[in-house]
Amino acid sequence: DAKTTQPTSMDCAEGRAANLPCNHSTISGNEYVYWYRQIHSQGPQYIIHGLKNNETNEMASLIITEDRKSSTLILPHATLRDTAVYYCIVHNAGNMLTFGGGTRLMVKP
Amino acid sequence: DVKVTQSSRYLVKRTGEKVFLECVQDMDHENMFWYRQDPGLGLRLIYFSYDVKMKEKGDIPEGYSVSREKKERFSLILESASTNQTSMYLCASSSGGFWGEQYFGPGTRLTVT
Repeated sequence: DAKTTQPTSMDCAEGRAANLPCNHSTISGNEYVYWYRQIHSQGPQYIIHGLKNNETNEMASLIITEDRKSSTLILPHATLRDTAVYYCIVHNAGNMLTFGGGTRLMVKP
Repeated sequence: DVKVTQSSRYLVKRTGEKVFLECVQDMDHENMFWYRQDPGLGLRLIYFSYDVKMKEKGDIPEGYSVSREKKERFSLILESASTNQTSMYLCASSSGGFWGEQYFGPGTRLTVT
C-alpha cells in the first residue's frame, strides 16, 4: 500500500470546519483512500473512504484531488467530541490496513 | 450499528499465565482481526480470520494463537504471557471482501507483570 503523509497535529475551533489534509503521491490506480479516527482509549472508528470521486456521509466529506495524490477530510462543524487522532490510509483491496501516525486533532471551545 | 465487544477493558496477568481475550461481533461479518497497539508503533496485525476455523498470520503472530469456532467469536490466546505482551489489544470485524472497512471493539488493555 502507498505511504501517506499527514500533519502531526492540528487545532480547530468548535463549530468551525476541520480540514485534515493527507498526501499520498505514490497512490496507484486501484488503491482507495480510507479515513479512520481514534478517540482516546477507544478502538479506531471507520469514517469514510473513496477512490476518485468526492464522498460524503453523515460524519464527514472526503475530497480527493483529480490526480489523486492528496485528499482532505472535512468535518463540517467540529465539536469537542471530534477531538481524536485521524488516520489517512491508502488501501489496496485484498491487503490489510496499515495505520500510520495520524493527525491529532484538538477541537477547542 | 455494528457492534464489536471485547471481554474485558482492563486485564492484569502474571508472567507465564495463559491468557484468553474474547471478541464477539453481532453483524454476521466473515472477517475478524486482532491487533495490538503500542505507543510509537501504531496498530500491528497479529492474526486474522476470514471464515470459521480459518486463520492467517499477520505481521506479529509470535507468542499468540487464535481460535474461531463460531462466526461471531474470535479469541486471541497468549500461551505464556510475557511482559513484552503488555499492550492494548483491539479486535475488529469486516464484511466479505471489504478488508478496508473494519469495525473495532473498545480494546482490552492488558498488563503482564
